[in-house]
Amino acid sequence: SQKIEQNSEALNIQEGKTATLTCNYTNYSPAYLQWYRQDPGRGPVFLLLIRENEKEKRKERLKVTFDTTLKQSLFHITASQPADSATYLCALVSDSSYKLIFGSGTRLLVRP
Amino acid sequence: DADVTQTPRNRITKTGKRIMLECSQTKGHDRMYWYRQDPGLGLQLIYYSFDVKDINKGEISDGYSVSRQAQAKFSLSLESAIPNQTALYFCATSDSDRDETQYFGPGTRLLVL
Repeated sequence: SQKIEQNSEALNIQEGKTATLTCNYTNYSPAYLQWYRQDPGRGPVFLLLIRENEKEKRKERLKVTFDTTLKQSLFHITASQPADSATYLCALVSDSSYKLIFGSGTRLLVRP
Repeated sequence: DADVTQTPRNRITKTGKRIMLECSQTKGHDRMYWYRQDPGLGLQLIYYSFDVKDINKGEISDGYSVSRQAQAKFSLSLESAIPNQTALYFCATSDSDRDETQYFGPGTRLLVL
């Protein structure tokens, strides 16, 4: 069956450290993968997109990697800040469909 | 002004009542979506529309219906609300390019008693 999985346990880190979140998928061949941020009670907000032929993408303190062999994307926040505390969702688009499929998200807590 | 708006933002209703959630967008996007989110769970797609004359069921369409009144408006109806439809509902839009970046509204929190 097709699955997109994110760690359901919250990631708790100290301010200034690098946060790394994982997104794994099975039985998809995504043309690209996206990452969103969601604050409590609010709609998700788009952060980054990475295509299947890209290994890495950066935006300010954010970095995303995409390994189509491992079927995994990693999302990094460097020099994390308490304001980065939120739930982060990955989403992919299968090559055969143009609908986004979302993971359930990983909650990040950055301690001051 | 917000690009994607949803009304109402909060709603309490009783079992068996019909209710409508409305979504409007000023982004000029042709694609619109309705999702529900339950605590600790991901977004589940209810219905989506790729243009005014196109309506498609998502993963969990039973008990819901939609209407695409115009490019900018997409409404979700619960014909006869039941308690397990208590959830947070999001509308989203995207442009018809392959990137499918979605822009979400602020959400409607629905409680069915």
